[in-house]
Amino acid sequence: DAMVIQNPRYQVTQFGKPVTLSCSQTLNHNVMYWYQQKSSQAPKLLFHYYDKDFNNEADTPDNFQSRRPNTSFCFLDIRSPGLGDAAMYLCATSRDRYLEQYFGPGTRLTVT
Amino acid sequence: ILNVEQSPQSLHVQEGDSTNFTCSFPSSNFYALHWYRWETAKSPEALFVMTLNGDEKKKGRISATLNTKEGYSYLYIKGSQPEDSATYLCAPTNFGNEKLTFGTGTRLTIIP
Repeated sequence: DAMVIQNPRYQVTQFGKPVTLSCSQTLNHNVMYWYQQKSSQAPKLLFHYYDKDFNNEADTPDNFQSRRPNTSFCFLDIRSPGLGDAAMYLCATSRDRYLEQYFGPGTRLTVT
Repeated sequence: ILNVEQSPQSLHVQEGDSTNFTCSFPSSNFYALHWYRWETAKSPEALFVMTLNGDEKKKGRISATLNTKEGYSYLYIKGSQPEDSATYLCAPTNFGNEKLTFGTGTRLTIIP
């Protein structure tokens, strides 16, 4: 039973063309996270929501935005993707801060 | 930004052999250490969340130890099986900052 679902699993977009990645959860967790992982690097936190409270990491590019319209869904918007934004994007949830995180399978983004 | 190091980067182990690898992290202001297993094409899965110095946790053939004073954790796998092939990620958190800072992982391949 999928608990954190990410769609699509693979996304191809063109340079500069806005793209949205989606994440949904059936766990009713308070916290949702977006990570970016580039090849052979550590997953890097972009931002997270504690309920409706949005927390942006200081080094997350302005090009990246997020929306959380309700508890279950969270979206990652990339306004003008560059070639450097090609990566695996992971969504995760946790019941509360400091607790273990539950990950989705990720969306692999390719920018052409 | 926490400096998290995992070694080795990759490891090939014969089926049936036991193995271990290391996660090192800054010991100051430590709160918890997370271990995750990430199999190819699947979601990262939480293995352990450890907080106490000297703690040892076990899940089947996998166990982990924690030394918060010197800033390291070992993950052990006893009697490796092909299904243990995965990337193992560690991530510490600090007091006042629940953000996971991941290492680059140890990629384990079990040779049948």
